[in-house]
Amino acid sequence: EVQLVESGGGLVQPGGSLRLSCAASGFTFSNYWMSWVRQAPGKGLEWVANMKGDGSAKYYVDSVKGRFTISRDNAKNSVYLQMNSLRAEDTAVYYCARDLAATGSYDNWGQGTLVTVSS
Amino acid sequence: QSALTQPASVSGSPGQSITISCTGTSSDVGGYNYVSWFQQHPGKAPKLMIYDVTNRPSGVSNRFSGSKSGNTASLTISGLQAEDEADYYCSSYTSSGPSYVFGAGTKVTVL
Repeated sequence: EVQLVESGGGLVQPGGSLRLSCAASGFTFSNYWMSWVRQAPGKGLEWVANMKGDGSAKYYVDSVKGRFTISRDNAKNSVYLQMNSLRAEDTAVYYCARDLAATGSYDNWGQGTLVTVSS
Repeated sequence: QSALTQPASVSGSPGQSITISCTGTSSDVGGYNYVSWFQQHPGKAPKLMIYDVTNRPSGVSNRFSGSKSGNTASLTISGLQAEDEADYYCSSYTSSGPSYVFGAGTKVTVL
């Protein structure tokens, strides 16, 4: 059974940093692109970043470029999101998701981890 | 990376069919067959319903179908059931980035 479990969310002050983790199990992790998708309270989904299975490519939404870094450790079956210079508008539930066909086809999602940026 | 356009709400009676539209541009929906649809119930993670415009993942009811014409993709739910009441989001690959972009979501109400 495929499982994705996020951790690392919490309350952080504006300008602060946080590192999210997503532990994967039940599939060959290195074969899949992995993504982070976020959802602000009461709002819609927003794609944040993704990374190829071998780590050779990664992309970001414009609003987080230069502030967020996606990475992965295939030996630990984990993907990470380092978030720096956090802003109030980054407040959201952050989901990690597996991309089934490398086309934005997120067939498995974690339960999400809440990041709150507030003073 | 502008959001795709979806109607805010769509409603239908049990047993009816409804269609949700998702309009983008030639840089996203119209340019690639990489449109996905997700269902989200309150407080839950999204669920993949359709990917690559028309493909249904294993386990998803065949009452759900997808299509595309030009810059607009559509999700049709036939034989509407109470359990289909949820928020639905479309997404597409976009050459702007490159990256992915979601629609703002459509709330489906079963009357």
